[in-house]
Amino acid sequence: SYEVTQLPSVSVSPGQTASITCSGDKLGNKYVCWYQQKPGQSPVLVIYQDNKRPSGIPERFSGSNSGNTATLTISGTQAMDEADYYCQAWDSNTGVFGGGTKLTVL
Amino acid sequence: EVQLVESGGGLVQPGGSLRLSCAASGFNFSNYNINWVRQAPGKGLEWVSYISGTGLTIYYADSVKGRFTISRDNAKNSLYLQMNSLRDEDTAVYYCASHGTTGNFDYWGQGTLVTVSS
Repeated sequence: SYEVTQLPSVSVSPGQTASITCSGDKLGNKYVCWYQQKPGQSPVLVIYQDNKRPSGIPERFSGSNSGNTATLTISGTQAMDEADYYCQAWDSNTGVFGGGTKLTVL
Repeated sequence: EVQLVESGGGLVQPGGSLRLSCAASGFNFSNYNINWVRQAPGKGLEWVSYISGTGLTIYYADSVKGRFTISRDNAKNSLYLQMNSLRDEDTAVYYCASHGTTGNFDYWGQGTLVTVSS
């Protein structure tokens, strides 16, 4: 079955750029989206179709997807961005999530 | 405002059954494909099942195939998940999530907790 892989944790200083990656075989051929989840809350879609932001998501969130890697980039990271981030794609009519990356802002 | 509200979670013994519901409002429910996604305590997200707006197309994760059944009643704006032969590893918060045009889950409910334990 298809799998996508994320690093368990990433740390970033406030105001710096955070990059969270998601890797999978020929992932660039699929649409990737990203979710933010804060403790005790439901996930929130922050990027869809590789690089599109839903209404209400700040411009500092951006995405890219090429080759075997998709990347979520948070520019000018703020303390409120500290959360778990999950990538997601579809393969053979099956939804596939990455294991999640805990972003720490310190 | 789009709202998805799950219910029906609770404590059930291994081998038991439970039926989850998801009540939708704020959008034309019958036009939307919907998913169930779960999250075990302290773990990541896991896709469970998908149903098209008409109910004619259904997919399941291998981990639940043959045990869970997804269905919907468009007249009642409701989605269901019948869970049979429950196992300890089915313990999770279960979310319903609407299916966007490119496979994203754009709206999520608050989730309902299912605990499988003796």
